[in-house]
Amino acid sequence: DTEVTQTPKHLVMGMTNKKSLKCEQHMGHRAMYWYKQKAKKPPELMFVYSYEKLSINESVPSRFSPECPNSSLLNLHLHALQPEDSALYLCASSQGTLPAQETQYFGPGTRLLVL
Amino acid sequence: AQSVTQLDSQVPVFEEAPVELRCNYSSSVSVYLFWYVQYPNQGLQLLLKYLSGSTLVESINGFEAEFNKSQTSFHLRKPSVHISDTAEYFCAVGEETSGSRLTFGEGTQLTVNP
Repeated sequence: DTEVTQTPKHLVMGMTNKKSLKCEQHMGHRAMYWYKQKAKKPPELMFVYSYEKLSINESVPSRFSPECPNSSLLNLHLHALQPEDSALYLCASSQGTLPAQETQYFGPGTRLLVL
Repeated sequence: AQSVTQLDSQVPVFEEAPVELRCNYSSSVSVYLFWYVQYPNQGLQLLLKYLSGSTLVESINGFEAEFNKSQTSFHLRKPSVHISDTAEYFCAVGEETSGSRLTFGEGTQLTVNP
């Protein structure tokens, strides 16, 4: 199994809702990432987990809360989002834990619309 | 901190023509260089990467890139493109320093026309 899966594919939520994005990989990778990508823009790193521990938090607002329940799963909990948070949310994983030099394997993303 | 500049936001070409997508970076230390491709409604996929060794790297689908340290460039080339190469291409750089992350360029939309 050489892929990263993400659910749901699409999500529409109101500003008062609570929802979660899920990401899964079964490649035995030791690092997992969350990125946010706006249309026609590059991905922006949000969080990195190494060996199931949060290693990088790029000053993301607290309305985004990551969780790594085990080595294969990564969640992103969403609460009280703003319309400007609408974007494609990408999950990625890598074998090693050095983000600057690892090949990252990306999932297809969750397209989020906040109304 | 490192930065990446992709000089062309859009590159339209005809099928079977050669193409070059340009990428320049800025860094004061050794770097790792990547090209990722993003097809419509998909995540990113690694196309090729330079970590060390030979400065010319190749992908399995005919793309190649050459690391030029003196010009701080990592341009992507393909001698003959296909319609299926239409996609967004991102150059990315990471530094050989503790805690470094990947920095992505703004992307180049390659459109291959029949």
